[in-house]
Amino acid sequence: QKEVEQDPGPLSVPEGAIVSLNCTYSNSAFQYFMWYRQYSRKGPELLMYTYSSGNKEDGRFTAQVDKSSKYISLFIRDSQPSDSATYLCAMSALQGAQKLVFGQGTRLTINP
Amino acid sequence: EADIYQTPRYLVIGTGKKITLECSQTMGHDKMYWYQQDPGMELHLIHYSYGVNSTEKGDLSSESTVSRIRTEHFPLTLESARPSHTSQYLCASSRARTVNEQYFGPGTRLTVT
Repeated sequence: QKEVEQDPGPLSVPEGAIVSLNCTYSNSAFQYFMWYRQYSRKGPELLMYTYSSGNKEDGRFTAQVDKSSKYISLFIRDSQPSDSATYLCAMSALQGAQKLVFGQGTRLTINP
Repeated sequence: EADIYQTPRYLVIGTGKKITLECSQTMGHDKMYWYQQDPGMELHLIHYSYGVNSTEKGDLSSESTVSRIRTEHFPLTLESARPSHTSQYLCASSRARTVNEQYFGPGTRLTVT
């Protein structure tokens, strides 16, 4: 069983829609949760970073962490065609941990 | 945009050849990483380094080797390429205090024929 599960999609929505991307995980030691965005033929770039449970908002993006359910979400409001990319969740147990554990990514397309 | 570079971006090479994938960063980061990424699959850590002369194997078994002679440079070498090595290779770096904020290069897409 994978430590992090993420629906690979693909997910296709019209421009302006609210997008919800999700990951579940099995390791209760995870405390740091990240969302990376990866455009085609590029490396991932860090989009959101949260610690423990709660919400974090940055412009059109909101990250939610529910540690009791081992479930994290990324919401994109007023989605734009430029948001079309693969979104990867990642998490780690400790600040000084050796590695991140990634989900397999959700491929998102925003249709004009 | 992060200052981390990978060359070549694309490489097609025959079986049995020795190849080196280059990775350089100008941010002065101590930690560097190599990941392997196949289409629709998660990133798998194959090597990492905490600093000069420090290298460790990651979770995914790999026949590649790495070296870290200079802080900014973290090349990956395959002594004898095989078709099973066909994949995307991503290099990343982070500051010493955190593994969470990793900056990725654009990747090298390797095809072994």
